[in-house]
Amino acid sequence: QQQVKQSPQSLIVQKGGISIINCAYENTAFDYFPWYQQFPGKGPALLIAIRPDVSEKKEGRFTISFNKSAKQFSLHIMDSQPGDSATYFCAASMDSGAGSYQLTFGKGTKLSVIP
Amino acid sequence: EAGVVQSPRYKIIEKKQPVAFWCNPISGHNTLYWYRQNLGQGPELLIRYENEEAVDDSQLPKDRFSAERLKGVDSTLKIQPAELGDSAVYLCASSRGAGIMNTEAFFGQGTRLTVV
Repeated sequence: QQQVKQSPQSLIVQKGGISIINCAYENTAFDYFPWYQQFPGKGPALLIAIRPDVSEKKEGRFTISFNKSAKQFSLHIMDSQPGDSATYFCAASMDSGAGSYQLTFGKGTKLSVIP
Repeated sequence: EAGVVQSPRYKIIEKKQPVAFWCNPISGHNTLYWYRQNLGQGPELLIRYENEEAVDDSQLPKDRFSAERLKGVDSTLKIQPAELGDSAVYLCASSRGAGIMNTEAFFGQGTRLTVV
């Protein structure tokens, strides 16, 4: 059962454009929603994260929008740059006991930003 | 601060052979994770350790996979015998430990396993 559904699978955006990646989750117990960025040959790295008590979080060119009632969240990359070309994973996490959290990942979106 | 270190980076083995992966987490991180990432997919959790205790190994195929984290620091993941379907990238990650403020998981570069 896929608990975190991510779309699109791939995305091509022109330099300077806005990249939008969407995720939907099923388990209402999730309470931490990070986005990870992965370059080829590297492990995923945390990009930005949000908790369900806020509807939006912005860090530089990256913004997470969160809709708790719809159980959806999205990543917006403003002024996309060729250096943003990578695979992006949304994830969801919840307290699995004794304050421990573990991540459930979406399948990823391969972003290509063309000059 | 040194990141999560994994070795080897690449491994090619014949099916039915054993293989082992090693992970050194970030110093002071109590929680250690092993994930498997198939081509074009997101990482999937295999096992999670809190210190030296395996607290979630429900997704670990125990007939052929085993893991250990002696002294609550380094960890090894072993496959014996390997099957063609085990070809994937095996990622190790660590986090500080319990609590919402300690959830950020730091990943190593992974070990790319190819079973032929």
